[in-house]
Order: sequence, then structure tokens, then C-alpha cells
Amino acid sequence: GQQLNQSPQSMFIQEGEDVSMNCTSSSIFNTWLWYKQDPGEGPVLLIALYKAGELTSNGRLTAQFGITRKDSFLNISASIPSDVGIYFCAGRRNTDKLIFGTGTRLQVFP
Amino acid sequence: DSGVTQTPKHLITATGQRVTLRCSPRSGDLSVYWYQQSLDQGLQFLIQYYNGEERAKGNILERFSAQQFPDLHSELNLSSLELGDSALYFCASSVDGSVYNEQFFGPGTRLTVL
Repeated sequence: GQQLNQSPQSMFIQEGEDVSMNCTSSSIFNTWLWYKQDPGEGPVLLIALYKAGELTSNGRLTAQFGITRKDSFLNISASIPSDVGIYFCAGRRNTDKLIFGTGTRLQVFP
Repeated sequence: DSGVTQTPKHLITATGQRVTLRCSPRSGDLSVYWYQQSLDQGLQFLIQYYNGEERAKGNILERFSAQQFPDLHSELNLSSLELGDSALYFCASSVDGSVYNEQFFGPGTRLTVL
């Protein structure tokens, strides 16, 4: 099935550091979403983006909808241990169907 | 807690068998989606129902089928199971699937086929 390209695949950082990850596609999306998945749990919606260039924050998380509409970025500032998990981007065109990224696995060390 | 419930949490069965996974959407949500997540993979969209009717189909095998009942709960039926069907199966729901009404995911059912 189709998936979006996410990078990096995994990150190992120290508590307090900032984190950046991105998601790219060869085609245009009208909506970009970022989800976090904890082990054994379902994905939880973090941020939703609906307009090209839009920059939205949710606490220490900030995400941007790329102006080309083919990419999106997620930044986490001052990471803490509970940020550990897998972060997925997801894109949507004109239908309900979401296409998910390959995921970025984040590990935070104290 | 997203408000989406899924049962069972875990399911272990043998090849060739048939299983049914159940999902109850959030109160007020009319749209239900099913996803498959294999090991180290992202989520693959399988199928969507809206108010009892199939609305969109993704990478769903012919051995798999789903339905949404009048009370809006949904069931995913997996038959003639193969080892490769072992995965996490997630259900998500949204109000009506339109823009600004995003999907909220249940805790998933982990299916193991031996």
C-alpha cells in the first residue's frame, strides 16, 4: 500500500533536546496530520493542518504544512521521557482516506 | 481514552480459521474506518463505513469483509487466515469524515495467527 516517506526512521536523544522530523510525498495533500503511537496503543492525534504554509502549535509540539503541499514538519521542543513513542504523519487529499507515513521512532534518554 | 472501543484486545488463532473483530465508535460518530498495522509498518487503510454503508475501500483482501450495523458499531471479518495476517487491527471513527472532523483511533486488536 501507499505510504508517505518519513525521516528520520528513528531518533535517540537526550532529555531536554529539541527534535525535528519530516514527512514528504510525491503528490499534493490538502490535509496533513501528526499522530503519536505508544506501545500497544492506538495512534493519538497531535496536530491537524489544513492550509499550505500553516504553522500550528500544541504545547511543546509545532507542526507546519509545507508550502508545496507535498511535505510537513513536526518539531518537539525540550523533550521529556514521555515523548517516547512512534510519530506518524498522515495526509489526505479530497476523500476521507488517510495515507500514513512510515513512522519515526523516538527514544529519549534521561 | 479516545472513546473508540475495540474487542477483543488480543486474539490467537490458527491458519485457515475465521475471526471477527468488533469496534464501537465514539458517541455521535457516523463514520468507521479499519486499518491494519503489520510489524514495523505504518497503518494501511482497509475500509470505511459511513452510517451503515460502505464509503471507501483500501487495500482490503477478498478474504476480509466488514459491515456497520444500525447502532453504528462495526465488525471486521477475517477468513481463511494466513500467517501473514498477523498484525494489529485498528478501528477509527469520525463524525462524518469531512474536513475538520478527524479520525480518533481505538486501542486495537492484536491478531496472532499460528
